[in-house]
Amino acid sequence: QKEVEQNSGPLSVPEGAIASLNCTYSDRVSQSFFWYRQYSGKSPELIMSIYSNGDKEDGRFTAQLNKASQYVSLLIRDSQPSDSATYLCAVIGTGFQKLVFGTGTRLLVSP
Amino acid sequence: GAVVSQHPSRVICKSGTSVKIECRSLDFQATTMFWYRQFPKQSLMLMATSNEGSKATYEQGVEKDKFLINHASLTLSTLTVTSAHPEDSSFYICSATGGGLFYEQYFGPGTRLTVT
Repeated sequence: QKEVEQNSGPLSVPEGAIASLNCTYSDRVSQSFFWYRQYSGKSPELIMSIYSNGDKEDGRFTAQLNKASQYVSLLIRDSQPSDSATYLCAVIGTGFQKLVFGTGTRLLVSP
Repeated sequence: GAVVSQHPSRVICKSGTSVKIECRSLDFQATTMFWYRQFPKQSLMLMATSNEGSKATYEQGVEKDKFLINHASLTLSTLTVTSAHPEDSSFYICSATGGGLFYEQYFGPGTRLTVT
């Protein structure tokens, strides 16, 4: 079982729709959870971090964490073509330093 | 968010030569820096973890004598690819964290290395 699992996609949504990206993790003691956006040929960019159960909103982005289900999600409201990228879910593991990445979900937003 | 820079952004070198890549945290002190490599259409692969003033910890399968890492200050880490070969051509990315409670990592823009 992979430590952090994501659907590779692509997830295709029309412009203006809500994109929902999901991630599950296996290490129950994980404490910090992150979503990174990576455009093709570029490095990852941190867009959301979440540490407590529940929702965290930042602009058009909402991260959701459910530690009991070991599940993290990212909602992107009013999706734009510029949101088309690979979204990486990452978890701080038990070493409290290294990020463990999922393989990423490719999001395509069509005009 | 915090800013991490890398230099150079692109480098082309001949087989057998060495290349040094710099990673700097511009607006925070980086207690820990990380070096990743990413081949086209593949996932990020962590190469090593570097704490300021300490020897780097390399991931399994990464040759420490080939990829020399120095983290001499709280704002600068360097990766030197020694005796580079064409198979070392890749996208090298550093990240840095200031520690704190939740260890957010901020990535540099990456260095594209081509070995001819």
